[in-house]
Amino acid sequence: DVVLTQTPSTLSATIGQSVSISCRSSQSLLDSAGNTYLYWYLQRPGQSPQLLIYLVSNLGSGVPNRFSGSGSGTDFTLKISGVEAEDLGVYYCMQATHAPWTFGGGTKLELK
Amino acid sequence: EVQLVESGGGLVQPGASLKLSCVASGFTFSDYWMSWVRQTPGKTMEWIGDIKYDGSYTNYAPSLKNRFTISRDNAKSTLYLQMSNVRSEDTATYYCTRDGVGAPFDYWGQGVMVTVSS
Repeated sequence: DVVLTQTPSTLSATIGQSVSISCRSSQSLLDSAGNTYLYWYLQRPGQSPQLLIYLVSNLGSGVPNRFSGSGSGTDFTLKISGVEAEDLGVYYCMQATHAPWTFGGGTKLELK
Repeated sequence: EVQLVESGGGLVQPGASLKLSCVASGFTFSDYWMSWVRQTPGKTMEWIGDIKYDGSYTNYAPSLKNRFTISRDNAKSTLYLQMSNVRSEDTATYYCTRDGVGAPFDYWGQGVMVTVSS
């Protein structure tokens, strides 16, 4: 199975600070058709996860543009440009290039 | 508004069987693949498997394939997860999710807890 390693595991930020989360894959997520099936989800405290980013860099429906995704191959990054209070929670990356689909271990974003 | 509502969880003994249900509304259920995802108490996320929009095809995580079965009833807009021979490591919150266009898990249910213990 593909292993996704997220760093850091915990991230402390102040409101307005820009932060980045890394997601590294044990295998390239580029498939033979040239697609990269890498996604980001946010789970706020006490809530179900929600889709933030799909196919590396596309914003999900209703997701603010302070969120951005980038990367290729095995290295991917989620960036939040100006953290807001509603952004606190646990962020997960997920890959759907190689079966079975797998998730990263999560990065908890908390207030400093 | 898309809604996914799971039910059927609870406390079960090791070796028992359990069937979870997920009722969908707010979209044409029969147009979408659907998945089950679980989250352990330690917050690890695991994809269980998915089912094609017409129910004709399923995929499973290899580690769960022999004990878990996903099915659906499009007439009832309902997704199911049949769990058999459950183990303590199956203790988790189970989420019903929709596989959207371009993105798996574009909508999630509220989750249902399953605790396996004697």
